Amino acid sequence: AQSVSQHNHHVILSEAASLELGCNYSYGGTVNLFWYVQYPGQHLQLLLKYFSGDPLVKGIKGFEAEFIKSKFSFNLRKPSVQWSDTAEYFCASMATDSWGKFQFGAGTQVVVTP
Amino acid sequence: DVKVTQSSRYLVKRTGEKVFLECVQDMDHENMFWYRQDPGLGLRLIYFSYDVKMKEKGDIPEGYSVSREKKERFSLILESASTNQTSMYLCASSPTGALSTDTQYFGPGTRLTVL
Repeated sequence: AQSVSQHNHHVILSEAASLELGCNYSYGGTVNLFWYVQYPGQHLQLLLKYFSGDPLVKGIKGFEAEFIKSKFSFNLRKPSVQWSDTAEYFCASMATDSWGKFQFGAGTQVVVTP
Repeated sequence: DVKVTQSSRYLVKRTGEKVFLECVQDMDHENMFWYRQDPGLGLRLIYFSYDVKMKEKGDIPEGYSVSREKKERFSLILESASTNQTSMYLCASSPTGALSTDTQYFGPGTRLTVL
């Protein structure tokens, strides 16, 4: 069975600091990987996704993530955060041989202070 | 823009009641999903549907059932609500295509409290 773990539950940082959120998945086969974000009071929305090809993927709002197959990791990064990046971030995976069965991590609450 | 709407933002029910949560999407998506979201646990898949009248169990289907009679509507049913079903329930939809898992579009959620 597949699962997703996120390294931090809460992160607090100042504006202009760099952000890196860890995500590891456990599945030996091929997976599709996603990062979703939930801003306060808003719906969950897709930040970026990886299916195949270049392991460094770029998403909206300056976010990027790197897929490292040997480490089963898909870490999210942003070089310089803004106050508006305060949100909860979820990593998700879906094994390609289990269509529709998405696995989400527990989420990381990120607070950016002015 | 894709719009996924859920019938209620907040719902309070009593133990043993039958509860219906409704979800409607307006983009003709084939696939629809129901999750529950709990602090520290993230989102957990309850059921999904890839076509009208088709359904598949997710990770935590016990105590729930679903109905999809029309393409745009996906209902979650709690046959006999229990306190441990107090949670935020999220509905999502996604299209089918070459990259059928491209993006899930989420609704605003229904916060259900079972007393």
